[in-house]
Amino acid sequence: GQNIDQPTEMTATEGAIVQINCTYQTSGFNGLFWYQQHAGEAPTFLSYNVLDGLEEKGRFSSFLSRSKGYSYLLLKELQMKDSASYLCAVPASGGSYIPTFGRGTSLIVHP
Amino acid sequence: DAGVIQSPRHEVTEMGQEVTLRCKPISGHDYLFWYRQTMMRGLELLIYFNNNVPIDDSGMPEDRFSAKMPNASFSTLKIQPSEPRDSAVYFCASSRTSGGETQYFGPGTRLLVL
Repeated sequence: GQNIDQPTEMTATEGAIVQINCTYQTSGFNGLFWYQQHAGEAPTFLSYNVLDGLEEKGRFSSFLSRSKGYSYLLLKELQMKDSASYLCAVPASGGSYIPTFGRGTSLIVHP
Repeated sequence: DAGVIQSPRHEVTEMGQEVTLRCKPISGHDYLFWYRQTMMRGLELLIYFNNNVPIDDSGMPEDRFSAKMPNASFSTLKIQPSEPRDSAVYFCASSRTSGGETQYFGPGTRLLVL
């Protein structure tokens, strides 16, 4: 199975940069997802990394190091609306590819 | 597309009652997932279907839980009898394929069992 670890909570200031880390252990790697979930809402897709390196998408970037079992989500120019939970998810190996979700990191952005 | 549709959005019931949650996936998506989310346990996969067939129900907590998908556009998750510990948000999600594919979540059903 997969084991995913993320910090429980982080706080940051509006306009700043924040990095949310995710470490994982899996028997076979099939990519890594990041989802955003605002309070009271459903998770929504942010990014998918399957190769090492940084992928940038506007204010959000996602990094992956397969050899280290490590990923991070980088949020730049933070806005109040970025306050949400950020979930790291790793698909299973062995053919099913069904993702296991981490517990999520609750990000609080304050003025 | 309307996205994944779930009903009801909120459900309050008493212990021992039957609860039925409903989901309509995005048209053309072959996979449908039922998740449960709580503060204590996070987002847990309960069961998933591929082309209307249940593939893995190992996440279903116990026999009180059952799920069906009679056709490509409808699925139900039933709890009978319900217990207070079943209180959670239940999400339905769908995807075109399972591997490396984005899941699209419905708005969720917030269930409170008194």
